[in-house]
This record gives sequence, structure tokens and C-alpha cells, in this order.
Amino acid sequence: DTEVTQTPKHLVMGMTNKKSLKCEQHMGHRAMYWYKQKAKKPPELMFVYSYEKLSINESVPSRFSPECPNSSLLNLHLHALQPEDSALYLCASSQDWTAGANVLTFGAGSRLTVL
Amino acid sequence: AQRVTQPEKLLSVFKGAPVELKCNYSYSGSPELFWYVQYSRQRLQLLLRHISRESIKGFTADLNKGETSFHLKKPFAQEEDSAMYYCALNTGTASKLTFGTGTRLQVTL
Repeated sequence: DTEVTQTPKHLVMGMTNKKSLKCEQHMGHRAMYWYKQKAKKPPELMFVYSYEKLSINESVPSRFSPECPNSSLLNLHLHALQPEDSALYLCASSQDWTAGANVLTFGAGSRLTVL
Repeated sequence: AQRVTQPEKLLSVFKGAPVELKCNYSYSGSPELFWYVQYSRQRLQLLLRHISRESIKGFTADLNKGETSFHLKKPFAQEEDSAMYYCALNTGTASKLTFGTGTRLQVTL
């Protein structure tokens, strides 16, 4: 299996809802990432997990809460989001997060709409 | 701070014509550079990386540290090359990729 799988593909939620995005990989990669991509913009890094520990948080608002239950799974818990949080959320993984081992494999994304 | 500049939002070329997608970066240390591509309705994927010095799908890119550039080139464009191309820079020891704003390549007959 050489893919990163993201669910759901599409999600519509209200500002008071709690929802989660899920990401899974079975390539034995030890680094996993969340990126946010607004329309016609490049991906922007949100979080990096390395060996199931949060290594980077790019000053993301606390209404986004990442979780890495094990080396294959990455979740992004969403609560009290704003309409401007509507975007494509990309999950990615890499063999490791150190230079030289950091070719990213991306998932297809979860398109989030906040009403 | 590191920055990646892709000056063209859209590059339109005829099939068979040469292609050059420009990428300039700003970083004072030793950069690690990548080109990622997103074909229509497909996920973002790696096209090539500078340390590999390889040709993928006929594309090559050479790191020019003097000009701080990593332009993507192909001698003869094909229709299937139409896609969004992102140049990305990794600095330091951690995988913090900084993406350029992307260039959409349109290859027409």
C-alpha cells in the first residue's frame, strides 16, 4: 500500500459542531503532516508529527486539535470553526522528517465547508 | 525567512514547444528543493528533487545557487503535462516545506 487515505472526502459543518478528519498510511512512514490549502493557494503547513509526537505546530488556532493515536493514523479534531476555515485539508506522510528522508506522499484531501 | 517565488501563475505553450517553469528561492543556507505536481483531479505528488539529479517524465531541474533558482525544464511539452506545478523549499533539518504559489501549465495543440 503506497497511499495516504483521507476521510471524509467532503465535510460540511456548522460553527458549533465537532467533527474529525482522519488520515491513514501503511507505508511505515514515521512522520505525518496536516496542511491547509485555500482555493488557488499553495498548501500551508499546520502540524507535523514525528514518531507519534507533535514536533511542529505552526501557530494554529486551538479550534484545530491534532492527534496521532499510532504510527499509521493521524486525526484532526475540529471544534467551533469559522467560515474562513473552509479549505482543503491535506494529510501527508514521509519516511522521516529529517532532511534527506522527507519526500512527502499526499492524500487526496478532505474538503471542509464551514457554514 | 525562507521564501519561494514562482513568478508566473499561468504558462501556456504549444505541444512540442520547450517549457521552463521558473522558481527562485531565498535562503542563506543549503536548500533542499523539490517540484511537486498536481494533475487534474489527482493528488499532489512529487515530480523531482534536486539531490536526485534525475529526469522524470522528461523534466529536469538544476539548482543554481548563484542565481538562487531551481527552474523546471522540458524540451518538448506534451498535452499530459498540463497541471499545476509547485516549487518547494526545505530548509534546516526538519521537514518544513515552503511552497511557492504555483504555476499552472497549459499545453495546447
